[in-house]
Amino acid sequence: AQKITQTQPGMFVQEKEAVTLDCTYDTSDQSYGLFWYKQPSSGEMIFLIYQGSYDEQNATEGRYSLNFQKARKSANLVISASQLGDSAMYFCAMMGSTLGRLYFGRGTQLTVWP
Amino acid sequence: DTAVSQTPKYLVTQMGNDKSIKCEQNLGHDTMYWYKQDSKKFLKIMFSYNNKELIINETVPNRFSPKSPDKAHLNLHINSLELGDSAVYFCASSQEGGGLPYEAQYFGPGTRLLVL
Repeated sequence: AQKITQTQPGMFVQEKEAVTLDCTYDTSDQSYGLFWYKQPSSGEMIFLIYQGSYDEQNATEGRYSLNFQKARKSANLVISASQLGDSAMYFCAMMGSTLGRLYFGRGTQLTVWP
Repeated sequence: DTAVSQTPKYLVTQMGNDKSIKCEQNLGHDTMYWYKQDSKKFLKIMFSYNNKELIINETVPNRFSPKSPDKAHLNLHINSLELGDSAVYFCASSQEGGGLPYEAQYFGPGTRLLVL
């Protein structure tokens, strides 16, 4: 079974600063995918970024990048130049040998202050 | 041009009632899912369908029954609602074999179910 751990229930960052949201995972699968989702207070789930376990380069999508350290089983999300609209709950998730079955962490509530 | 839509957005009902939630996606995806998000925001998969065929069926009470009339629609019917069923239910879709080994899932806006 897969397990996702997000140890930071809440994080605070000032506007325009960078912030790192931690995610560690545990799996016996050799191949897997890692995902980050954003859930603003309005409630929808927004896909942000994906990293495959065999990808040699860290994934980037605009201001989002995924700091993937396979040996440490970590997949941290880095948000550069934080904006007020980045305030939301962020979920790390992984998919392993059972395609389609996404396992989610418990989330980190990010608050961006001016 | 909503990608994944769900109806209703809010559902307030009494214990013991039967209710349905509908989901439609216009992304052309072939796989659809139901997730439950509890009061602590924990998300867990319930079911998945690929081209109308049930693929994932988690340990969910059999009061919950998904139905997929076609690959663009996946409905969730809940019988004999209980207080513990109160949660947010998300529909999602993805395209398997779309080029990546693991495809991202795109979520609907959620249905907030409150059982009184």
